[in-house]
Amino acid sequence: EAGVAQSPRYKIIEKRQSVAFWCNPISGHATLYWYQQILGQGPKLLIQFQNNGVVDDSQLPKDRFSAERLKGVDSTLKIQPAKLEDSAVYLCASSLDVRQATNEKLFFGSGTQLSVL
Amino acid sequence: QKEVEQDPGPLSVPEGAIVSLNCTYSNSAFQYFMWYRQYSRKGPELLMYTYSSGNKEDGRFTAQVDKSSKYISLFIRDSQPSDSATYLCAMTSGNQFYFGTGTSLTVIP
Repeated sequence: EAGVAQSPRYKIIEKRQSVAFWCNPISGHATLYWYQQILGQGPKLLIQFQNNGVVDDSQLPKDRFSAERLKGVDSTLKIQPAKLEDSAVYLCASSLDVRQATNEKLFFGSGTQLSVL
Repeated sequence: QKEVEQDPGPLSVPEGAIVSLNCTYSNSAFQYFMWYRQYSRKGPELLMYTYSSGNKEDGRFTAQVDKSSKYISLFIRDSQPSDSATYLCAMTSGNQFYFGTGTSLTVIP
């Protein structure tokens, strides 16, 4: 079974530029998450999708971050404009369907390492 | 107070040592408890998954949950250099996942 796919693996941009990350979850997984992980910290949830609808985006800085999951499969996360403090690893994760059961397991991709200079 | 507290380490042990990693939590609604292993420049990988209080063993790894004390542990027996990674505890309430900050472990050959 293929895992969660993410691209690119690394991205270096200057502040005020824009950047986009792509995620393809495990086949059949209805729930998709984007996390931000700053060095030395645990993952912080940015946004959670259930199919193509947003379940939780309370911690997404909406003035600069946006995300979509058209057709309920692939997802993109965009930052525009980027700030220095956005330097982090952006992790995509998926689970089967957290609405159906509370014992769902979370599977992560390898992440995108973003450096903002 | 954070909902999940984890000692960040770093922890450095000789090969073959027994390692104990711990997390405490404050929310009694947490139902499921997980340990993830994260190698450098990789995403977290699910290592152990438990529900009830008690121990769950998988090879050299044992996950322990004490719901009365709101305390979970991961024990690694006969630690190997390949165990060098950051270990994240995680727990769920409903459809939300809560993570610790991770403990960095280095096993020295």
